[in-house]
Amino acid sequence: SQQGEEDPQALSIQEGENATMNCSYKTSINNLQWYRQNSGRGLVHLILIRSNEREKHSGRLRVTLDTSKKSSSLLITASRAADTASYFCATGSGNTGKLIFGQGTTLQVKP
Amino acid sequence: ETGVTQTPRHLVMGMTNKKSLKCEQHLGHNAMYWYKQSAKKPLELMFVYSLEERVENNSVPSRFSPECPNSSHLFLHLHTLQPEDSALYLCASSQGVISLTSYNEQFFGPGTRLTVL
Repeated sequence: SQQGEEDPQALSIQEGENATMNCSYKTSINNLQWYRQNSGRGLVHLILIRSNEREKHSGRLRVTLDTSKKSSSLLITASRAADTASYFCATGSGNTGKLIFGQGTTLQVKP
Repeated sequence: ETGVTQTPRHLVMGMTNKKSLKCEQHLGHNAMYWYKQSAKKPLELMFVYSLEERVENNSVPSRFSPECPNSSHLFLHLHTLQPEDSALYLCASSQGVISLTSYNEQFFGPGTRLTVL
């Protein structure tokens, strides 16, 4: 069953603007991860946030996690054309290492 | 480079052909995964191998047959596929189960774009 659902499905912004993507999930998790995928390529891990964390930063990325609402957000600040890609959230639970991915948000950053 | 390689990058096959996809990881990981990515669909987990043992098979048709001869290599053998099996097939690896609170970042290969005619 699908765990993560991203919102919006597509986002188009101008270079320099901030981009915010949201992810909702259904069951208990022990971590939530965000990945990026350039067209037709593999996914690249961006950031991991544990279930006992509320916010995490990495460069221009800021991730928040609200376990009471079962939701997370990814903020990309000062976006660049090179940030154009699809972004996926993935949830991990238990100890199997298995991740369940959402459908993704396609971000287009116009120069 | 993520440390995970996949070959071939592109594959076109007929419905009666037999082919294999190969994945190799150079990261010393213990777990490997096959995913299928079709247009407009979430990434679908197909198989999970941990310490060379298959630990998950997500109701994948038998025309897909995985093989994990060692912790560095993973194969996906294909036979009598259908056109709807055309997709991007992604391999990933992770450290695997190391504790009850494992947080497994997965490292993905570039994928094999499969087209079934």
